[in-house]
Amino acid sequence: RKEVEQDPGPFNVPEGATVAFNCTYSNSASQSFFWYRQDCRKEPKLLMSVYSSGNEDGRFTAQLNRASQYISLLIRDSKLSDSATYLCVVNTKNTGFQKLVFGTGTRLLVSP
Amino acid sequence: DVKVTQSSRYLVKRTGEKVFLECVQDMDHENMFWYRQDPGLGLRLIYFSYDVKMKEKGDIPEGYSVSREKKERFSLILESASTNQTSMYLCASTQTGGKQETQYFGPGTRLLVL
Repeated sequence: RKEVEQDPGPFNVPEGATVAFNCTYSNSASQSFFWYRQDCRKEPKLLMSVYSSGNEDGRFTAQLNRASQYISLLIRDSKLSDSATYLCVVNTKNTGFQKLVFGTGTRLLVSP
Repeated sequence: DVKVTQSSRYLVKRTGEKVFLECVQDMDHENMFWYRQDPGLGLRLIYFSYDVKMKEKGDIPEGYSVSREKKERFSLILESASTNQTSMYLCASTQTGGKQETQYFGPGTRLLVL
């Protein structure tokens, strides 16, 4: 079983739509959680952290459910520029070192 | 702005060649990482380093080695390249303490081994 699992998509949505991505992680000792964004043929960049109480950054809302080991990202009012791959990332301490474990990503295509 | 640079964007090598991938960061970060990214497999950690001359194996170190002689530079070495090492290689850095999750990535090197 993969440590971080995501639906690869693609999710095809029209501009203005609301879309949600989910992610599950297997290591209950995971300490912190993030969403990264990766544009086609570019490097990943941090989109936002995910806090236990849920957090919002403009049109983006992230939620964490530790009991179910589940993370979500909601994008409201989708823009063409939101088209990208969204990586679910978990920070896990392993043999004394913290490391990031990346999901394989969910691809989003926003069309006019 | 943090800048992480990688020596090549595209590289074509032959099986058995020794390959060096260089990564330089300009923010005095202690921690540096090498990943490879393959379709369907995501980013996988090859090696990381938390200080000069220190290195730790990641999840897939076989066939690779690394060198960290200076704080700003982290090199990935393929001693004898093989076709299954054809991939996108990404270097990243982050500082110790603070927001470790904010890994800053280089633009990547697409390596093709023939």
